[in-house]
Amino acid sequence: DAGVTQSPTHLIKTRGQQVTLRCSPKSGHDTVSWYQQALGQGPQFIFQYYEEEERQRGNFPDRFSGHQFPNYSSELNVNALLLGDSALYLCASSSARPGDREETQYFGPGTRLLVL
Amino acid sequence: AQSVTQLGSHVSVSEGALVLLRCNYSSSVPPYLFWYVQYPNQGLQLLLKYTSAATLVKGINGFEAEFKKSETSFHLTKPSAHMRDAAEYFCAVSLFITQGGSEKLVFGKGMKLTVNP
Repeated sequence: DAGVTQSPTHLIKTRGQQVTLRCSPKSGHDTVSWYQQALGQGPQFIFQYYEEEERQRGNFPDRFSGHQFPNYSSELNVNALLLGDSALYLCASSSARPGDREETQYFGPGTRLLVL
Repeated sequence: AQSVTQLGSHVSVSEGALVLLRCNYSSSVPPYLFWYVQYPNQGLQLLLKYTSAATLVKGINGFEAEFKKSETSFHLTKPSAHMRDAAEYFCAVSLFITQGGSEKLVFGKGMKLTVNP
């Protein structure tokens, strides 16, 4: 059973460019969350997708957008890249059962983005 | 708003010594609390979680944590450190998302554990 997978593993972009990161959830999971982990910091919640809709968003600008596909995989898009967007981007998946707080989020290995 | 605080950024212990990583939380509702571990160049792995059942939670790799409401703490311990425990450890609290979906996690800044031979 494959866990959460992310691609690519590493990426180098220049300021102003756009980037797309991809995530495939663990088998049986239907909810995908994205987190940004800057160097030396804990992960910060970007947004979460469930039933192909963005359900909640953290304190990130509109340059950060996402999408969830019918097979539950997800993409994170970042436009107009800034140097400060350099970070490890983590995807986490879980199985949503509204009202059930017992579900655990499983994290992928992350995509390390460097903006020059 | 829910949050967690991990004071300090680095802990160093000798192999075989007690590991104690501190985490204090702030929450207006009964919290769900987690400890995750991150090995170099890897993602996050769940060590253990507290979900309002037993206050002493046992996790993987010999780690455990005790929920203490009176102290608003959820410290992580391991009786005897191994070299392989060297990693970064994150405490997190979950926030329930009401519009469907699952919880979102709010993480502390992390604590880097070094184990000396």
